[in-house]
Amino acid sequence: AQSVTQPDIHITVSEGASLELRCNYSYGATPYLFWYVQSPGQGLQLLLKYFSGDTLVQGIKGFEAEFKRSQSSFNLRKPSVHWSDAAEYFCAVSDSSYKLIFGSGTRLLVRP
Amino acid sequence: DAGVIQSPRHEVTEMGQEVTLRCKPISGHDYLFWYRQTMMRGLELLIYFNNNVPIDDSGMPEDRFSAKMPNASFSTLKIQPSEPRDSAVYFCASSRPQGVAFFGQGTRLTVV
Repeated sequence: AQSVTQPDIHITVSEGASLELRCNYSYGATPYLFWYVQSPGQGLQLLLKYFSGDTLVQGIKGFEAEFKRSQSSFNLRKPSVHWSDAAEYFCAVSDSSYKLIFGSGTRLLVRP
Repeated sequence: DAGVIQSPRHEVTEMGQEVTLRCKPISGHDYLFWYRQTMMRGLELLIYFNNNVPIDDSGMPEDRFSAKMPNASFSTLKIQPSEPRDSAVYFCASSRPQGVAFFGQGTRLTVV
């Protein structure tokens, strides 16, 4: 069965610092991978996705993620965090059925 | 496009009452998903439809929950009778085949 692990429940970074959010997945074949962001009281917005091809994918708001098959990871990165990035981030995996299996989320706090 | 539209945004109801949540997917999207978000269980897929046909309802917690999609532009999730443990945020999402899932703003349900 597919599963997604986000080992960090909370992460706090200073504004302007770099960010890396971890995501590990369990899936037998090459999965479809996603990062979504959720601001308080809002729905989920897609940041980026990996379906195939280049393992480094660029997303919106300056985010990027790298698919590493050998590590079953799809970590999210941003070189310089802005206060508006404070939110909850969800990694998700999908197979050909298109249904998403989500990780438990990482809440990002940004120090001024 | 207006995106996925859910109504109501908030619902407070008494235990034992029937609750109906509504969703209008993005036009042209063949897949529709209902998710539930709680602190304890995170984001869970309840059911999804392809071309208005339910494909996988294994996530529906109990017979008290039912979902329908009478046409391509409308779906409902019904809980009858509702219980306090059903309190959660319910999200609807839609996508094309091999596409990205777009989420609605969610319905926050409180059962007292």
